[in-house]
Amino acid sequence: ETGVTQTPRHLVMGMTNKKSLKCEQHLGHNAMYWYKQSAKKPLELMFVYNFKEQTENNSVPSRFSPECPNSSHLFLHLHTLQPEDSALYLCASSQNGGGPYEQYFGPGTRLTVT
Amino acid sequence: GNSVTQMEGPVTLSEEAFLTINCTYTATGYPSLFWYVQYPGEGLQLLLKATKADDKGSNKGFEATYRKETTSFHLEKGSVQVSDSAVYFCALTVTGGGNKLTFGTGTQLKVEL
Repeated sequence: ETGVTQTPRHLVMGMTNKKSLKCEQHLGHNAMYWYKQSAKKPLELMFVYNFKEQTENNSVPSRFSPECPNSSHLFLHLHTLQPEDSALYLCASSQNGGGPYEQYFGPGTRLTVT
Repeated sequence: GNSVTQMEGPVTLSEEAFLTINCTYTATGYPSLFWYVQYPGEGLQLLLKATKADDKGSNKGFEATYRKETTSFHLEKGSVQVSDSAVYFCALTVTGGGNKLTFGTGTQLKVEL
C-alpha cells in the first residue's frame, strides 16, 4: 500500500466509448503524474500536474484528457481510443519543488481497447 | 537528453544465487539515480536511490553504487529469493528537471527453487 489508489483496476472499452480513470493520493503531495506502461517499452510520462496546474504534456493525443480538480485527485478521461492505447496506466505522486523526490505509484489500471 | 539503458531480460536465477542487473545512463545535468521494483499486478515501488557520486543505496539486501566515472548504477544482491521475482527499473531525474523520471525498459527477474 503506497498511499496512491487507482480505479478501476481493469477496464475494457470499445473504440467509441468514453471512460475515465481515477487516481487518489493520501500522502499530502502536490505533484501528480500519469504514465503509460506498454510491453517492451520504457514507461512513458504522459502528464504532470503541480499544484493542480498542468506543467507537462508529452505530446499526448487529444483522445486522452487529464483533469486535476485538487492536489489529491487526478483523472484521465478517455474517448475514441485506438487498440494501440491498450496498456497499463500508472498514476504517481510526489512532493514538488527542487527535488529529487521519490514518486509513489498506484497499482495501475489495465486498459484493453477492443 | 536523458536516457537509461538496462540489460534485457528475463534473468533467470536459482534461489541464493548472486544477482547483478546492469544500468548505465546519460544525463544533461547532475542526475539522481533510482531503482524501482514492480511485483506482478502492482505498481512501481522505490527500492533504493543515490543522489551523488559514490553514494551507495541499499534496501532489502539490494545495493547499487552511483559511479559517475562509468555512468553506471548496477543493482546487486548477494542471495536472491523466489520472492524477489519481479521487474526492476532503473531511473534518473536531474535537479531542476521538474522531478521528472526517465526510466529504462525494465529487467524481469525470475528466481526458481
